[in-house]
Parts: sequence; structure tokens; C-alpha cells
Amino acid sequence: GDSVTQMEGPVTLSEEAFLTINCTYTATGYPSLFWYVQYPGEGLQLLLKATKADDKGSNKGFEATYRKETTSFHLEKGSVQVSDSAVYFCALSEGGNEKLTFGTGTRLTIIP
Amino acid sequence: EAGVAQSPRYKIIEKRQSVAFWCNPISGHATLYWYQQILGQGPKLLIQFQNNGVVDDSQLPKDRFSAERLKGVDSTLKIQPAKLEDSAVYLCASSFTVEAFFGQGTRLTVV
Repeated sequence: GDSVTQMEGPVTLSEEAFLTINCTYTATGYPSLFWYVQYPGEGLQLLLKATKADDKGSNKGFEATYRKETTSFHLEKGSVQVSDSAVYFCALSEGGNEKLTFGTGTRLTIIP
Repeated sequence: EAGVAQSPRYKIIEKRQSVAFWCNPISGHATLYWYQQILGQGPKLLIQFQNNGVVDDSQLPKDRFSAERLKGVDSTLKIQPAKLEDSAVYLCASSFTVEAFFGQGTRLTVV
């Protein structure tokens, strides 16, 4: 079945550091890929998505590129801020209105 | 646009008791999902509805969990009887196309 493996946390970085959170997936078809973020005390929010190979999703300075050849969708940000502290989930779905399969989440803490 | 509404936000019950959660999806979203998120893990799908029909309930423990979506809008998820391992956050989500929108969840503690 489908699965998502993401970098284990927690991850602690200093403000303005470069961020990478690794995510790889296993799927039977051609999934859409997502990064969701969960800020303290809030619900899951979609951060970015990519629906086909070589697409780059981007939002709030975060980027991730759908790499079919390496089955990866790594999350990157060039300069993190304290406000980026949250739990980040990589996820996939096999199509529109299909269930999401999530990774285990990576807790990110940014220190000033 | 109003988001996905869930209630209650928190619930504490004793094992073997019953509990129910309510979800109101975003207006016009035909697809509704219930996920279970155990502490330290990613959300796991329990059941998916398309309008008022069940699309996927393969991961729903049907001996104790039940869900319904009356008239294809609101949904309720029930656990009866609850076990200690049911302690988790129960998330409701809805979608129209690719993107799923999540509610804030109900945190259930079974003691």
C-alpha cells in the first residue's frame, strides 16, 4: 500500500538557518504530494502541494519539488523564522477526493 | 468562508463509556473524512464519505466505531465502548477537489 516516510524529529534550528525536511513516498500510481503544517493549538493547514512530477509547490517561503525518479518531496526554506515553529507532515493522495496518507510528522523548533 | 467545524474540542471519558463527535464540513464539499491522530503519529483515515455514502471504511474498527453522514452534510463519529487506546485527536476534513481542509479536532482522553 501507499506510505510516506519523513525525517524524524525533533529538529531545532537557529533563526535564519536553512531548513530541509526529507520526505520519500511509496505509491502504486501517480500521487499528488502535500506538506501540511500544524501550529501549536491549531488544526492542520495545507502548506503547499504538487500534483505531478517536476512540479514545485511553494508558499510562505517554503518550497518542495516533486521528484518522481527519487520518489521524494523534500521541504526547504532558505531562512527560517521563530514563527515557523510547528509540526510538519508530508502526505500523498492517489487522486482528487482520495484519502491522504501521512508521514509521522517532524516537530520543528526555531530559536532566536 | 467558514472552515470545518468540530465539537467538542476536548472530551474525557472512562473506558467502556460511549462518546460522539460532530463535524460540519465546508459548504459544498461533497467529500468528508474522519482521521484519528494518536500522539506522535500522523493522522490515519478512519472513514471517508462521498455525499452520504461510504467510500472507504477499511480502517474503521467496526466493532466499536460507527459514523454517519445524514443528508450528505454534517457527520457524527461514535465510539462505544471506548478503550484506553482510543485516546487520540479525532480530525474531520472535507474537500471539493484535491485540497482537504481540516477542522481543529477533538482531543479524546480515555481514562
